[in-house]
Amino acid sequence: QITLKESGPTLVKPTQTLTVTCTFSGFSLSTDGVSVAWIRQPPGKALEWLALIYWNDDQRYSPSLKNRLTITKDTSKNQVVLTMTNMDPVDTATYYCAKRLASSSASLGYWGQGTLVTVSS
Amino acid sequence: QSVLTQPPSASGTPGQRVTISCSGSSSNVGSNDVNWYQQVPGTAPKLLIYSQSQRPSGVSDRFSASKSGTSASLGISELRSEDEAVYYCAVWDDSLDGHVVFGGGTKLTVL
Repeated sequence: QITLKESGPTLVKPTQTLTVTCTFSGFSLSTDGVSVAWIRQPPGKALEWLALIYWNDDQRYSPSLKNRLTITKDTSKNQVVLTMTNMDPVDTATYYCAKRLASSSASLGYWGQGTLVTVSS
Repeated sequence: QSVLTQPPSASGTPGQRVTISCSGSSSNVGSNDVNWYQQVPGTAPKLLIYSQSQRPSGVSDRFSASKSGTSASLGISELRSEDEAVYYCAVWDDSLDGHVVFGGGTKLTVL
């Protein structure tokens, strides 16, 4: 059974750096073809893809946020970590991690429950 | 503003068939498989269609998808009240080192 769970702060101040962690089970990020992505959703708004990391450590980022994002993996801990610098109130959102189901990196078949991050002073 | 364009809303009555469109470009919809998600408020998105037309285990065959050129569509037949949700398209975009793009979402109301 594949599960993913996000964790991190519920409140961050503007200009701070956000670190959210995705802890998963039921698969290994060292297995050929596996990838984990981060997606966020501001309250009442659409989904926004942020980043993904592949089993071979290849990384892809949203072009509009690339300069602020870093995605890493710890295979031994079954975790993927996303950091986002210079947080702003517009970054208030539920942050999800997800694993792809099929060959397309946009086919995210397994999702965590999400973690709500509020940016406020 | 999303790279993929979806109508903000759609509606239908129980038993009807509805279609939701997703318009992109040659670097995304035009060259890669489109995926569709269903999101009920307060829950994580659920993958409905992947690899253009495949349904994950457990997804009803009332959901189908098609693509032509740089446009794609999701079809929902025999509409039910539980289909009321927000639907998103998503696809890999080959531009700018490659990344995933989501549509802006379509709120489906079952009247």
